[in-house]
Amino acid sequence: SYELTQPPSVSVSPGQTGSITCSGDKLGDKYANWYQQKPGQSPVLVIYEDKKRPSGIPERFSAFNSGNTATLTISGTQAMDEADYYCQAWDSNTVIFGGGTKLTVL
Amino acid sequence: QVQLVQSGSEVKRPGASVKISCKASGYSFTTYKIHWVRQAPGQGLEWMGIIDPGSGDTFFALKLRGRVTMTRDTSTSTVYMELRSLRSEDTAVYYCTRGGLGIEWYFDLWGRGTLVTVSS
Repeated sequence: SYELTQPPSVSVSPGQTGSITCSGDKLGDKYANWYQQKPGQSPVLVIYEDKKRPSGIPERFSAFNSGNTATLTISGTQAMDEADYYCQAWDSNTVIFGGGTKLTVL
Repeated sequence: QVQLVQSGSEVKRPGASVKISCKASGYSFTTYKIHWVRQAPGQGLEWMGIIDPGSGDTFFALKLRGRVTMTRDTSTSTVYMELRSLRSEDTAVYYCTRGGLGIEWYFDLWGRGTLVTVSS
């Protein structure tokens, strides 16, 4: 079965750029989507179809997907961006989520 | 406004069933598919399956086939997810989520989640 691998944790200083990777076999041939989840809240879509931002998502969120890796980048990271981030793809009529990455802003 | 409103928390015994509702509002109910995603305590997200509110067609994750049913009531714009033969490992927050209109599935609107606790 298809798997997506994310680092368990990433740390970034306020105002700096942080990146979270998501790896999967030929992931670049699929669309990668990204969700932000803060403690006690539902996930929120922050990137869909590799690089599109839904309405209301700040421009500091961007993403790229190529080869075997999709990357979510947060520029000028703010304290409010501290959260768990999940990548997601679709394969053989099944949805796959990465294990999630805890982004710490410190 | 555009939202998915889920039913409240449930506590069930092992072997029992649970049925959760998800009421859509603010958009065309039959245009968007509804998926269910669950999250065990402290764990990641797990996709459970999909229902097409227009046709009623469903498709489930392999590990849940035979235990899960998804139905809809178009008169009330409500989707239901029933999980049977509950086990302790089914303890989780269950989310209904709206599928985006892209070629591949993604989720652009989420309910607030329903906590299901399975305990003897």
